[in-house]
Amino acid sequence: EAQVTQNPRYLITVTGKKLTVTCSQNMNHEYMSWYRQDPGLGLRQIYYSMNVEVTDKGDVPEGYKVSRKEKRNFPLILESPSPNQTSLYFCASSPTLRGDGYTFGSGTRLTVV
Amino acid sequence: GENVEQHPSTLSVQEGDSAVIKCTYSDSASNYFPWYKQELGKGPQLIIDIRSNVGEKKDQRIAVTLNKTAKHFSLHITETQPEDSAVYFCAAASYTGRRALTFGSGTRLQVQP
Repeated sequence: EAQVTQNPRYLITVTGKKLTVTCSQNMNHEYMSWYRQDPGLGLRQIYYSMNVEVTDKGDVPEGYKVSRKEKRNFPLILESPSPNQTSLYFCASSPTLRGDGYTFGSGTRLTVV
Repeated sequence: GENVEQHPSTLSVQEGDSAVIKCTYSDSASNYFPWYKQELGKGPQLIIDIRSNVGEKKDQRIAVTLNKTAKHFSLHITETQPEDSAVYFCAAASYTGRRALTFGSGTRLQVQP
């Protein structure tokens, strides 16, 4: 089954404790992206990657890092999480840069206390 | 960059009625306009999209219209059913841009039985 898999689904952590949210896709898509979803703000892009070793900032990149060492994986790293990063995070992949036919993961609900 | 505004933020209709959600965009270079449906606890799922070379597209009970001159596009759901209850997001993207979709803030649709 074609899918984007995120882990974990739920995570509660403390301020300053580094964490990684994993994302993997099995569709051989070149384009991958991370979004955060907050009430009333919709989905805002954090980072995206056009291919292996090619990443760039989205609209809200502060406090986040990403890497793309393999085509299928695109982890999101929070080096020093803060409470304002409490949010619902989605990873997505697409065969095109424009985002045609985006496939989203099921989401990671992160709470930073 | 692109800015997408979506209205209304909430919409309640009776089963069998029609529902209309409207979006406006700012970047005249945008030429791809998808709509996503997000059910509770799941990631957004593409339900229909339209490209700038057409003015309307239908898929069973769902239709999307696009007015490039006015820079707005709309989602129309006819004969609504309780399973249509979800959050709907519009988005816009450009073939020429390096970044992918810019999303609206979402509309929570509630279909009353």
